[in-house]
Amino acid sequence: QSALTQPPSASGSPGQSVTISCTGTSSDVGGYSYVSWYQQHPGKAPKLIIYEVTKRPSGVPDRFSGSKSGNTASLTVSGLQAEDEADYYCSSYAVINNYVFGTGTKVTVL
Amino acid sequence: QITLKESGPTLVKPTQTLTLTCTFSGFSLSTSGVGVGWLRQPPGKAPEWLALIYWDDDKRYSPSLRSRLTITKDTSKNQVVLTMTNMDPEDTATYYCAHWAIVASDSFDPWGQGTLVTVSS
Repeated sequence: QSALTQPPSASGSPGQSVTISCTGTSSDVGGYSYVSWYQQHPGKAPKLIIYEVTKRPSGVPDRFSGSKSGNTASLTVSGLQAEDEADYYCSSYAVINNYVFGTGTKVTVL
Repeated sequence: QITLKESGPTLVKPTQTLTLTCTFSGFSLSTSGVGVGWLRQPPGKAPEWLALIYWDDDKRYSPSLRSRLTITKDTSKNQVVLTMTNMDPEDTATYYCAHWAIVASDSFDPWGQGTLVTVSS
């Protein structure tokens, strides 16, 4: 099962927005409304920030939003803050592998 | 508050069997709609899902690792155990257990702190 494709890096200045893409196939991202996003700071465990494409767990700021079109999901971080600098991973339910992760994107706040 | 913590050896030799224990609090694995998953993350790489056990003892495994994995639960102890046979240096990774719930069935939340397992002779 191939990993989902994400850009290796993304950046923005404080207050700006950054959007990260996550491209899969019709067997995973495109086939289900089951895409989640995780934020991971260095040395820490991944933290869920988006599930079921657009939903935010309790306590996650509304600066984080998710969307999906066809086989590509996206995470947008609006009003970038210094603490948003981290690695971000998408994940999708997949018919064969149950849960497949993206390659990861390092977000840098300039 | 849900918390999970992984425990087990930090170093295993090639061909050995790895046994990891996840001890959790804040939920019960006898509650309908609940599960515990295992995931791993090699240094500098993306996470990889390994296995998931549900409240009703149903189990799911990553197809690529299915032959090497076994997941079990001890509801009375609030523990889930993962065994992985025939360890290889490529299995070096931080291993995490995580809470799963049917209300957000596409995701794991929260994760434990992780435990780094190195495979080396």
